[in-house]
Amino acid sequence: QQPVQSPQAVILREGEDAVINCSSSKALYSVHWYRQKHGEAPVFLMILLKGGEQKGHDKISASFNEKKQQSSLYLTASQLSYSGTYFCGTAPPENSGGYQKVTFGTGTKLQVIP
Amino acid sequence: DAGVTQSPTHLIKTRGQQVTLRCSPKSGHDTVSWYQQALGQGPQFIFQYYEEEERQRGNFPDRFSGHQFPNYSSELNVNALLLGDSALYLCASSLGWGGEQYFGPGTRLTVT
Repeated sequence: QQPVQSPQAVILREGEDAVINCSSSKALYSVHWYRQKHGEAPVFLMILLKGGEQKGHDKISASFNEKKQQSSLYLTASQLSYSGTYFCGTAPPENSGGYQKVTFGTGTKLQVIP
Repeated sequence: DAGVTQSPTHLIKTRGQQVTLRCSPKSGHDTVSWYQQALGQGPQFIFQYYEEEERQRGNFPDRFSGHQFPNYSSELNVNALLLGDSALYLCASSLGWGGEQYFGPGTRLTVT
């Protein structure tokens, strides 16, 4: 089943923060985050493999609450380059042995304006 | 270090025809996954290949088939094309089950 992302869209001014949430109705083994700019391929941001794990990359970080089957992506001090559509992808526990089947959410469209 | 490459970039086919899309994985990667992305939607998993075998499959009909070659490159074949098959087809590669998938630029398929 497809994970649900919220919000569907958000507009930020440069320097503002944002949080994008991803929820699944099924147990999760891993959560993947990608950003896709218009007309381009999705770009890998990070993957979270353990419950409670938090990862960061520059001013973008993410958390994974295994019990709640949720993940959140945090963008701090947003830059114009952060604009794009953010997708979370989830893989269930039965994939823990390999061959991950990643199911992507519907995406969150983020626009950063000057 | 070459990233994931796909060919062709764009393709126009007629309903009922067959199409083959190609993908070369990022150097050092051995696993290839294929996704279909309709306009305004997230990528939908079609199938994944590892060691020249299909390991996982999404909810796509048998008209969608694939192949992985000894050099890890892969093909996606779609038979009896329908108008609804029009989409961006993305190939992603990874090293085993590590999870970090790197996407290619995609092939835009238009079925008329």
